[in-house]
Amino acid sequence: NAGVTQTPKFQVLKTGQSMTLQCAQDMNHEYMSWYRQDPGMGLRLIHYSVGAGITDQGEVPNGYNVSRSTTEDFPLRLLSAAPSQTSVYFCASSPSVGVHEQYFGPGTRLTVT
Amino acid sequence: AQSVTQPDIHITVSEGASLELRCNYSYGATPYLFWYVQSPGQGLQLLLKYFSGDTLVQGIKGFEAEFKRSQSSFNLRKPSVHWSDAAEYFCAVGPSNTGKLIFGQGTTLQVKP
Repeated sequence: NAGVTQTPKFQVLKTGQSMTLQCAQDMNHEYMSWYRQDPGMGLRLIHYSVGAGITDQGEVPNGYNVSRSTTEDFPLRLLSAAPSQTSVYFCASSPSVGVHEQYFGPGTRLTVT
Repeated sequence: AQSVTQPDIHITVSEGASLELRCNYSYGATPYLFWYVQSPGQGLQLLLKYFSGDTLVQGIKGFEAEFKRSQSSFNLRKPSVHWSDAAEYFCAVGPSNTGKLIFGQGTTLQVKP
């Protein structure tokens, strides 16, 4: 049981490039989410999903897209990277939307130059 | 608006001393409250949680927290700190029915030998 996995661990992009951050969980959790962590700001919710085929925006969704075609996977797409998206990104999951204990992946450190 | 405030950005304690990390929240109903710990370069690990019932909750690694509704607080305590407790600590509140977590800014704990 690997829990929540994220790839890559580190990534450097140039402004305007696109990429996808991968997130997968093997716990059959319904709820998955993406956060970004910036110094002094804690973690802020980007997007979340309450089940396959259902996604919704968090507090900082601009510049990011998500999809949830399977229960296991919840990729985060940056369509045109900007320096303001330099951050550490965490994926999290929980058994259902009514269970608020979330399990976090190890994070992806993204730098946009 | 729902929010979480951790008033102390950095705290330094001596090994063996007691610890209290403060957390205040703003929320319209009974919140779900959490403390997470993040070691350098790692993801977030759940220390403890409060959903209802006994207002003093025990967590892993010898931590406990007390929910005080009248003060809108959920402070984290440990009677004797170990060098391995040096990390960043996040308080979070979960609004009901959405699965979203709102995080405080974090408190970095340094432990002096």
